[in-house]
Parts: sequence; C-alpha cells; structure tokens
Amino acid sequence: GAVVSQHPSWVICKSGTSVKIECRSLDFQATTMFWYRQFPKQSLMLMATSNEGSKATYEQGVEKDKFLINHASLTLSTLTVTSAHPEDSSFYICSARWGDGYQPQHFGDGTRLSIL
Amino acid sequence: GDSVTQMEGPVTLSEEAFLTINCTYTATGYPSLFWYVQYPGEGLQLLLKATKADDKGSNKGFEATYRKETTSFHLEKGSVQVSDSAVYFCALSDRNTDKLIFGTGTRLQVFP
Repeated sequence: GAVVSQHPSWVICKSGTSVKIECRSLDFQATTMFWYRQFPKQSLMLMATSNEGSKATYEQGVEKDKFLINHASLTLSTLTVTSAHPEDSSFYICSARWGDGYQPQHFGDGTRLSIL
Repeated sequence: GDSVTQMEGPVTLSEEAFLTINCTYTATGYPSLFWYVQYPGEGLQLLLKATKADDKGSNKGFEATYRKETTSFHLEKGSVQVSDSAVYFCALSDRNTDKLIFGTGTRLQVFP
C-alpha cells in the first residue's frame, strides 16, 4: 500500500517552455503533499508544502511564480515549472502523506528535468 | 531547530557483512523517526519507522531502535546483499513545523 505515482519520470525541453509534473497518491487520500528538489549526491531540499484546496506554502528562497503548485484533490498535486531555464534542471520528487506529522511521507519515483 | 546527523559515506562492505549506519537527532519534542532508502535514479522508499521511545522498526532484515536516552536511531542489518546498495536517509518528523527533516544520506556499496 501507500503508492505514489509521479509523472513524467524524465523530461527534456527547450529553455523558456513550461513543464508540468504530476503527483498522484494511488491507494490513499493525501491530506498533504510535498515537493522536493534534489541535487546530485545531496539530500532533498523541501520546496513547498501543499494541502488539498488551499495555497501551497513555499520555503524561503523558492520562487512561487516560478514553481506553481496546485493541489486540486486529495489524490493529485501538480508542480509547474514556468519559463524553465537550464538552472532549473534537477531531480524533482513529490511525496504524499495521510494524517499528521507523525505519519510517514510516501515518495514518488522522481522526475528528472533537463532544460536545454 | 530540529536536526538529523548521520554518518558520512560511502560505506563499503562485502556481501554478508554486518551493517551499521549511525543516526543521531536533535529535537525539542517527541518526533517520529524514519529510515528511507533511495536506489539510483529513483525516489525514496520508506524502509522503517518508529514513533516513540524504545520502539523498534524493522523491514527486509533492517532494524533500528528509537533510543531517547542517546537520541539515536541507528540502522542495522545482520547480513547485507549486493542489492542493498543504495543511499540511506535518516529522518525525523518535526512536530512544530510538520516537516520531514533529513540527514545528509549515507551511500552504501556492497560488493560480492
């Protein structure tokens, strides 16, 4: 149980385009979803936290106009990287959680984004 | 604030060796503790968890005990396999901010 699906797993696109990444909890309802960014051989950096039906809470230094997060339902959150540039190239990982902070987060398989 | 410290890697072992990856934490309250594993090119998988002092989490031969007196949650496995090669992250849930705080990760390499 507790499966999180993230799509696409890999995307390559030209500079200036926008890219949407989907995160779905397949067998549970996620009250909270999280978006992380991971640089090579480093730990995960939390970008934002989103609760269904409300605006996302962004971490300090993360541009909310650049990284648009929508959490439209209890099973779906999307991250849109707007006007992507090469410095946005990274590995993006979502996670989903049911319940409070004592419950584990369940992670998707990540999306490798490459901007040319 | 709350934090997690885990041993630096890489940890290099031969197959069937005993594994210990140290993890200590600093927290003002009573967090839940987790170990996650990340295989190359993939997201994180929950390996095990413990929600209160003296709890032992276990899964796939791995185990870790929540030690409040030493603020530790060391990961152990009696006999590692090549397939265990991955990066292991220790994490705690921060009751105040509702976030997951990760250690820096420890890369494990197991050779036949």
